[in-house]
Amino acid sequence: SYELTQPSSVSVSPGQTARITCSGDVLAKKYARWFQQKPGQAPVLVIYKDSERPSGIPERFSGSSSGTTVTLTISGAQVEDEADYYCYSAADNNGVVFGGGTKLTVL
Amino acid sequence: QVQLVQSGAEVKKPGASVKVSCKASGYTFTSYYMHWVRQAPGQGLEWMGIINPSGGSTSYAQKFQGRVTMTRDTSTSTVYMELSSLRSEDTAVYYCARGYYDIWGQGTMVTVSS
Repeated sequence: SYELTQPSSVSVSPGQTARITCSGDVLAKKYARWFQQKPGQAPVLVIYKDSERPSGIPERFSGSSSGTTVTLTISGAQVEDEADYYCYSAADNNGVVFGGGTKLTVL
Repeated sequence: QVQLVQSGAEVKKPGASVKVSCKASGYTFTSYYMHWVRQAPGQGLEWMGIINPSGGSTSYAQKFQGRVTMTRDTSTSTVYMELSSLRSEDTAVYYCARGYYDIWGQGTMVTVSS
């Protein structure tokens, strides 16, 4: 089975840069996605193919990859970015996995 | 506009089955796979499986093999997820999500309680 490991929480002040990491062996071979989820809402895709940003997602959201670790960076985090963030990857043979999630606090 | 609309909340007893629907609109239904993802209260996201609305082929997470069935009705652009032998641990919000995860349903709360 595959596992993706994220920190349980990250905290930054408004305007600072938030970085959330996600580690797992599958990431060396497969792309990652990142989702943002606010309380009571469905997840929203913010990054795909490690670093691509869907239309409508603010430019302050970016992604990068190095070896078995991917990183979601929020440059100039805003209060409205406070949410849970999940990484995701899909390996061959239908091995699909989400990371455990990271609670981002902006205050 | 492109959207996925799911059926309403369900309350089931242990051992029963539940069938959740997800109706697609605003795009060609058979052009995108559909995922099912669930989230237990206060917990993370868990992938359950995927269906190809074009041919109906499916692939399920090993954890749900034998208990989950995903089907589709192309005449109504609807996919269904049925989970059987429900237990309390299946209490969760169930989401459908279009193939690239760009569009999600609003979620369906399923509560399993005696």
